[in-house]
Amino acid sequence: SQQGEEDPQALSIQEGENATMNCSYKTSINNLQWYRQNSGRGLVHLILIRSNEREKHSGRLRVTLDTSKKSSSLLITASRAADTASYFCATDPWTGYSTLTFGKGTMLLVSP
Amino acid sequence: SQTIHQWPATLVQPVGSPLSLECTVEGTSNPNLYWYRQAAGRGLQLLFYSVGIGQISSEVPQNLSASRPQDRQFILSSKKLLLSDSGFYLCAWRPMANTEAFFGQGTRLTVV
Repeated sequence: SQQGEEDPQALSIQEGENATMNCSYKTSINNLQWYRQNSGRGLVHLILIRSNEREKHSGRLRVTLDTSKKSSSLLITASRAADTASYFCATDPWTGYSTLTFGKGTMLLVSP
Repeated sequence: SQTIHQWPATLVQPVGSPLSLECTVEGTSNPNLYWYRQAAGRGLQLLFYSVGIGQISSEVPQNLSASRPQDRQFILSSKKLLLSDSGFYLCAWRPMANTEAFFGQGTRLTVV
């Protein structure tokens, strides 16, 4: 079953603009992670935020987590054409089981 | 450093034929191992995960099975493939629960 649900399903922007993607989940989590996937390739880990954290930064990435709303957002600032990819959120359950469950992803297209 | 190998990259198999996909990890011990399937344009579906040799947890009942004959080897198998088994199969590992995961490059399986 899929835990996370990303929104929007697809996003098209121009280079230099900011891109915001949202993720909602259903059950209590230990942490939430964001991954990137270039077409036809494996996923690459971007950032992990734990349930007791509210915001985290990594370079041009900013992630927020609101456990009361069971939601997270990924902001990519000053987007580049090379940021074109699919972005997925994934969650680890609070139970301690080692399942890592992914959402359906947001496809981001950044045009030059 | 740790690396993950997944092969083959592409595979075309007839309906009813067997399947064996292999994944190996180097440079670490006792990793948590995962098999995911991704349908075209969709999210990742967790199929199996393993926290140790001989320990396999199945998330989705189907005609696939997984085995972990060695600490850093994870195999996905089927005795008889169905058309619905077509998809992009991804192997992943991580040191333990609640950490980032590292993905292989995936196997594109087409059942004809």
